[in-house]
Amino acid sequence: NAGVTQTPKFRVLKTGQSMTLLCAQDMNHEYMYWYRQDPGMGLRLIHYSVGEGTTAKGEVPDGYNVSRLKKQNFLLGLESAAPSQTSVYFCASSYGRLRLRDEQFFGPGTRLTVL
Amino acid sequence: AQRVTQPEKLLSVFKGAPVELKCNYSYSGSPELFWYVQYSRQRLQLLLRHISRESIKGFTADLNKGETSFHLKKPFAQEEDSAMYYCALSGVSGGNKLVFGAGTILRVKS
Repeated sequence: NAGVTQTPKFRVLKTGQSMTLLCAQDMNHEYMYWYRQDPGMGLRLIHYSVGEGTTAKGEVPDGYNVSRLKKQNFLLGLESAAPSQTSVYFCASSYGRLRLRDEQFFGPGTRLTVL
Repeated sequence: AQRVTQPEKLLSVFKGAPVELKCNYSYSGSPELFWYVQYSRQRLQLLLRHISRESIKGFTADLNKGETSFHLKKPFAQEEDSAMYYCALSGVSGGNKLVFGAGTILRVKS
């Protein structure tokens, strides 16, 4: 099993460009998450999903959109990238309702630079 | 509001010395506390959680509700313990969401 995978691993954007980050998991997890990791701030939750077709805002959702059309995939979109969105983005998943407050499994991260 | 505080950005110790990574939390309900670790060039992974009461790689952490702390301890540090450590809290709200501290870099010197 690959676990949680993220595409791409690195990306450089110019201000105003758009892009989509793809997260996929093969563990049949119900819940999925997108975080950003910034120095001195730890990981902050952007958006999350508790099931196919559902999404919800996290702590820092502005400037991002998400979609969960299939259970195994969770997409993070930047419609108009800004330098403040330069960060490392992590996707995670967890079992969900069957194992509440259980551990989250993380992807390898995507390093995004916005010039 | 849920908050996790890790007061040290960097903790540097010699091999064989005891280690204590501090974590304090703020939460009005009954929290679930975790320690996650990120080794160099590896993904973030669970180290231990308070409900398991396990010792993982020699590390232990006790939840102290009176002091709202969940410090991570190891009696004898090893070089392979060098990593970034995050304390995280899960409340009772929906989605199994985690609130992370800012993280502490542990450097074990030989």
